[in-house]
Amino acid sequence: AQSVAQPEDQVNVAEGNPLTVKCTYSVSGNPYLFWYVQYPNRGLQFLLKYITGDNLVKGSYGFEAEFNKSQTSFHLKKPSALVSDSALYFCAVRDRDTGRRALTFGSGTRLQVQP
Amino acid sequence: DTAVSQTPKYLVTQMGNDKSIKCEQNLGHDTMYWYKQDSKKFLKIMFSYNNKELIINETVPNRFSPKSPDKAHLNLHINSLELGDSAVYFCASSPLLGTNEQFFGPGTRLTVL
Repeated sequence: AQSVAQPEDQVNVAEGNPLTVKCTYSVSGNPYLFWYVQYPNRGLQFLLKYITGDNLVKGSYGFEAEFNKSQTSFHLKKPSALVSDSALYFCAVRDRDTGRRALTFGSGTRLQVQP
Repeated sequence: DTAVSQTPKYLVTQMGNDKSIKCEQNLGHDTMYWYKQDSKKFLKIMFSYNNKELIINETVPNRFSPKSPDKAHLNLHINSLELGDSAVYFCASSPLLGTNEQFFGPGTRLTVL
């Protein structure tokens, strides 16, 4: 079985400050990891993914995420937050050693960036 | 051009009715999915189709029946709608090979009265 935990329902940060949105995962094999963002009344947009290789992954809109195998974490980060980053963020995992292709999502973290 | 499209965007209906939601992708992907997002924003896989073949059915009531006429379309038909079916339904697609990055449609907000 695979699962994802996003321990924070909401993260508040001031514009210009660094932000971190936390994610931990559980899979029986090796993971593919993803971050998606959802703006109000919109579908999910892909931000970035970890497949293999470098543990630091860079994605869209200046976001990056660090894969930590020992801590089974894949935290999303951005050096300087923008008000327009305010949205709902989902971490997702897929076990690449099984044939199951559907993603398992975390419960989402609402990011609120204050001006 | 929209990569993954869904119709309708909003659907309001009475309990007991039967309704369908349509999904189309123009990305040439082989795999399509339906996800349900509840009022607490939790996203859960319902179905997955691979080249018109059902791959995943995640303990969804049999009132929900996906239909894939071709690999670019995956429609969701719901019989005897219940209040608990109210949610946002997202369609997604991904290529068969590779890392399974999924592309999502804009969602259909279903409200059952």
